[in-house]
Amino acid sequence: ETGVTQTPRHLVMGMTNKKSLKCEQHLGHNAMYWYKQSAKKPLELMFVYSLEERVENNSVPSRFSPECPNSSHLFLHLHTLQPEDSALYLCASSQAAPPLHFGNGTRLTVT
Amino acid sequence: AQSVTQLDSHVSVSEGTPVLLRCNYSSSYSPSLFWYVQHPNKGLQLLLKYTSAATLVKGINGFEAEFKKSETSFHLTKPSAHMSDAAEYFCVVSPLLTGGGNKLTFGTGTQLKVEL
Repeated sequence: ETGVTQTPRHLVMGMTNKKSLKCEQHLGHNAMYWYKQSAKKPLELMFVYSLEERVENNSVPSRFSPECPNSSHLFLHLHTLQPEDSALYLCASSQAAPPLHFGNGTRLTVT
Repeated sequence: AQSVTQLDSHVSVSEGTPVLLRCNYSSSYSPSLFWYVQHPNKGLQLLLKYTSAATLVKGINGFEAEFKKSETSFHLTKPSAHMSDAAEYFCVVSPLLTGGGNKLTFGTGTQLKVEL
């Protein structure tokens, strides 16, 4: 049973759609993260929020827009995506220092 | 600067035999080191962590890893493989004293196959 819950588990969207991924953590952590996991590539850190403020954005395209309304919730808003954005998107949370605790991910397919 | 190298992309063992997954790291700082496991269609689950205490670290599901500074290695072992161990394993390095969660470097993963 994971303390980090991601919804939906699977998402198929067209390139002109707008959708959002949701993440909720029940661990009392104060930092949350979005990672992208593509086949044959290392995990890519996309966004980091600490105490609800964004502290890192690793040059992610603007078609990905994060939102962190409080320390327990994190969203990733998606619009006009490209087929190469198809991947597993993982949310994680932690205290100030590692380790990170991951959710089960959202499998995104862009058609 | 830091990096991590998982020396084998695929490892295959028979059920009941030992498992060895190899990881080498480099770091300008004293490191924290972690092993995560990922089963199909799941997120990453923490197996164990090294943060400068005992060099032999015991984790969940019978796994353990030994920090060897002289060899810059943190290999993951298990005495006897089980079918349920089939998964992908990630070695991760972070600076010990200044490492926030945004300073993790992940390896490219080792796929473990367990055969009957």
